[in-house]
Amino acid sequence: QVQLQESGPGLVKPSHTLSLTCTVSGGSISSSRSSWNWIRQHPGKGLEWIGHIYNGGTTYYNPSLKSRLTLSLDTPKRQLSLKLISVTAADTAVYYCAKGGTDDAFHIWGLGTMVTVSA
Amino acid sequence: QSVLTQPPSVSGAPGQKVTISCTGSGSNIGAGFDVHWYQQLPGTAPKLIIYGNNNRPSGVPDRFSGSVSGTSASLAITGLQATDEADYYCQSYDSSLSDFVVFGGGTKLTVL
Repeated sequence: QVQLQESGPGLVKPSHTLSLTCTVSGGSISSSRSSWNWIRQHPGKGLEWIGHIYNGGTTYYNPSLKSRLTLSLDTPKRQLSLKLISVTAADTAVYYCAKGGTDDAFHIWGLGTMVTVSA
Repeated sequence: QSVLTQPPSVSGAPGQKVTISCTGSGSNIGAGFDVHWYQQLPGTAPKLIIYGNNNRPSGVPDRFSGSVSGTSASLAITGLQATDEADYYCQSYDSSLSDFVVFGGGTKLTVL
């Protein structure tokens, strides 16, 4: 069974870059039919899709984050990465990675990692 | 402001049926894009409970069902149990500005 585990710094300073990694275990990330997604949840709020990447490297980003966001895949390491530049307090959230199916549903989720943007 | 609109809260007594609505528009649900539903228990990651409008992943009880009509979708939960108390989110795809994934704002289900 595929499992996902997010990792990264719990605290990032304003205007700095947030970098997160999601490690995939129990399966390959090479499937051309799966999307690898990042989703975040602000404290006490709903879910916000950040973006996704396919094995071939094609990316789709939430228009509201597109100018600051880069997603990448490291297939040998079975990792997906998120890089968000120029962060502000509004980027404080729990960040989840999730595996998407051909139906665009998120079938498998990581446990999430809390990121706080503060000086 | 979410692209998909859900009621902030619903409630029901054990054993009863509740329905959670998810209202979209012609650029998402009304365009024929699939609707998926997630259950988020307190302090945990969301879990897929309905995909492709009305399909249940393995292990999800048949008390959960989904439907779509026009620009709206619904999640029905029958035989309500205390363990169903959670936040529920609908999700679809929107093609209005640039293609992207959209979520509803979430609905808090309280079991009385």
